[in-house]
Amino acid sequence: QKEVEQDPGPLSVPEGAIVSLNCTYSNSAFQYFMWYRQYSRKGPELLMYTYSSGNKEDGRFTAQVDKSSKYISLFIRDSQPSDSATYLCAMSEAAGNKLTFGGGTRVLVKP
Amino acid sequence: EPEVTQTPSHQVTQMGQEVILRCVPISNHLYFYWYRQILGQKVEFLVSFYNNEISEKSEIFDDQFSVERPDGSNFTLKIRSTKLEDSAMYFCASSVTRQATTYEQYFGPGTRLTVT
Repeated sequence: QKEVEQDPGPLSVPEGAIVSLNCTYSNSAFQYFMWYRQYSRKGPELLMYTYSSGNKEDGRFTAQVDKSSKYISLFIRDSQPSDSATYLCAMSEAAGNKLTFGGGTRVLVKP
Repeated sequence: EPEVTQTPSHQVTQMGQEVILRCVPISNHLYFYWYRQILGQKVEFLVSFYNNEISEKSEIFDDQFSVERPDGSNFTLKIRSTKLEDSAMYFCASSVTRQATTYEQYFGPGTRLTVT
């Protein structure tokens, strides 16, 4: 079983729709959860950071963590064509520790 | 807004040659990292560096790799004798200020290393 799993997609949605992304993980020691956006051949850009379980909202983005189910989600409201990218989840066991990444979900937002 | 910078953006080298990839982390950060991403694959952790020493490294980070913080701003990754399989995007990241209550990692734009 992979440590962090993500559906590779592509996930195609019309402009204005809600994009729903998720990751599952097997390591119950993960406590810090991040979502990154990555455009082709560019560096990961941090979108959301969450510690432990719960919800966090920032603009059009909502991150949810359910540690009991080992499941995290990212929702993007009012999606735009510029949101077309690969979305990576990443997590670590402790502050400052290495991040373990999922394989990424490719998202296409069609005008 | 502060950001992590990396040079060069693209490096082409011949197998067996040494390469040094350079990074300038965010200025008040304390933890520095190198990751790599082979084309079409996951981002993989290589090494983390804190308080002037390696704090964690992966199995990938063997004796061919080394890191250094030669001054107060730069953080380098050296590959002593490159192999074809070292071809990848290499990302530097930094994290955590002294006053931190959150522990996000911020990534640079990457250096694309091509070994021929």
